[in-house]
Amino acid sequence: AQTVTQSQPEMSVQEAETVTLSCTYDTSESDYYLFWYKQPPSRQMILVIRQEAYKQQNATENRFSVNFQKAAKSFSLKISDSQLGDAAMYFCAYRQRSGGSNYKLTFGKGTLLTVNP
Amino acid sequence: KAGVTQTPRYLIKTRGQQVTLSCSPISGHRSVSWYQQTPGQGLQFLFEYFSETQRNKGNFPGRFSGRQFSNSRSEMNVSTLELGDSALYLCASSLEAAVWDTQYFGPGTRLTVL
Repeated sequence: AQTVTQSQPEMSVQEAETVTLSCTYDTSESDYYLFWYKQPPSRQMILVIRQEAYKQQNATENRFSVNFQKAAKSFSLKISDSQLGDAAMYFCAYRQRSGGSNYKLTFGKGTLLTVNP
Repeated sequence: KAGVTQTPRYLIKTRGQQVTLSCSPISGHRSVSWYQQTPGQGLQFLFEYFSETQRNKGNFPGRFSGRQFSNSRSEMNVSTLELGDSALYLCASSLEAAVWDTQYFGPGTRLTVL
């Protein structure tokens, strides 16, 4: 079974600084996608960024970027110029195609990010 | 476009009762997935529907069931509620049911079982 591990239950960062959240996953598949979702205290999950496994170039969305290391099965999220609104629970997620149309989305346990003013 | 909506937002039930939660996907989206979120287990996949067919199911007992209607709206039902069913139930929709599709989440339904 595929697993997603986020080894940092909590992280904190000073406003305007940079923080990196870690994520590793376990799979024997080659066709999959990776996602970072953000869940602020309001509870609405929001997609932050996604990465296709077949692309070597790391995805970037404004202040958010990933470091995707396929061989190491690592997918970390870097947040630059942290803002107070970045405070949230961040979930790493993995989705693969297996057995035809059997797409499964598997989440890590999450990392709670605190941004200090 | 309106986002994913879930009703009700909060629900309190007692053990042994049953409950039905509703999810309306983003207009045009045909795939709906359900997740259970608890502090202990995190986010766990329940099931996924596409064009009124269940395409994928997580490891939950048969007390958890769902369905999707022709307008893509989905409902999930939990029968014979247990204390451990207390959780935030999240619904997510996507355009298709493809591996590359982004899932858009609703605000969730907070279920408390007493």
